[in-house]
Amino acid sequence: QKEVEQDPGPLSVPEGAIVSLNCTYSNSAFQYFMWYRQYSRKGPELLMYTYSSGNKEDGRFTAQVDKSSKYISLFIRDSQPSDSATYLCAMRKGNNDMRFGAGTRLTVKP
Amino acid sequence: EAQVTQNPRYLITVTGKKLTVTCSQNMNHEYMSWYRQDPGLGLRQIYYSMNVEVTDKGDVPEGYKVSRKEKRNFPLILESPSPNQTSLYFCASSFGQGDEQFFGPGTRLTVL
Repeated sequence: QKEVEQDPGPLSVPEGAIVSLNCTYSNSAFQYFMWYRQYSRKGPELLMYTYSSGNKEDGRFTAQVDKSSKYISLFIRDSQPSDSATYLCAMRKGNNDMRFGAGTRLTVKP
Repeated sequence: EAQVTQNPRYLITVTGKKLTVTCSQNMNHEYMSWYRQDPGLGLRQIYYSMNVEVTDKGDVPEGYKVSRKEKRNFPLILESPSPNQTSLYFCASSFGQGDEQFFGPGTRLTVL
């Protein structure tokens, strides 16, 4: 079993839809949780960063962490075609030991 | 412009022919690392470097070498590439080990 599981999709939604992306993990030692966005032929870029359980909002993006269920989510409100990308979840125990999900490919259709 | 650069961006080579992928950052970051990205497996760390002359293995170091002689450069060396090293490679850098990592644009390597 992988330490981090992420549905690869692909996920296709109409413009304006609410998108929900999720990852589950098996190691309760993870404390730092991240979402990266990766456009085609580009490197990943950090989108959201949260520590421990709870919610964090940044514009149209909301990251949720539920440590009791070992489940993290990224919500995108009012999705735009420019949100079309692969979204990677990542988590870390301490300063190193970063683990990435396989990525979910999202397409937002105009 | 603050950035991480990698060269080459695309490379096709044959088994056993030594190659080097260069990585350079202009942000004065101390921490640098190499990842490979494979379908269904996500990003996996190959090697990392905490500072000049300090390197350590990541999760999948077999078949790779690195060096950190200067702060800005962190080349990845494949002494004898094999087809299972066909992958998309990313270099990343950050101020410290737990800080936000900035990724390069990637190098797509095919080993025939």
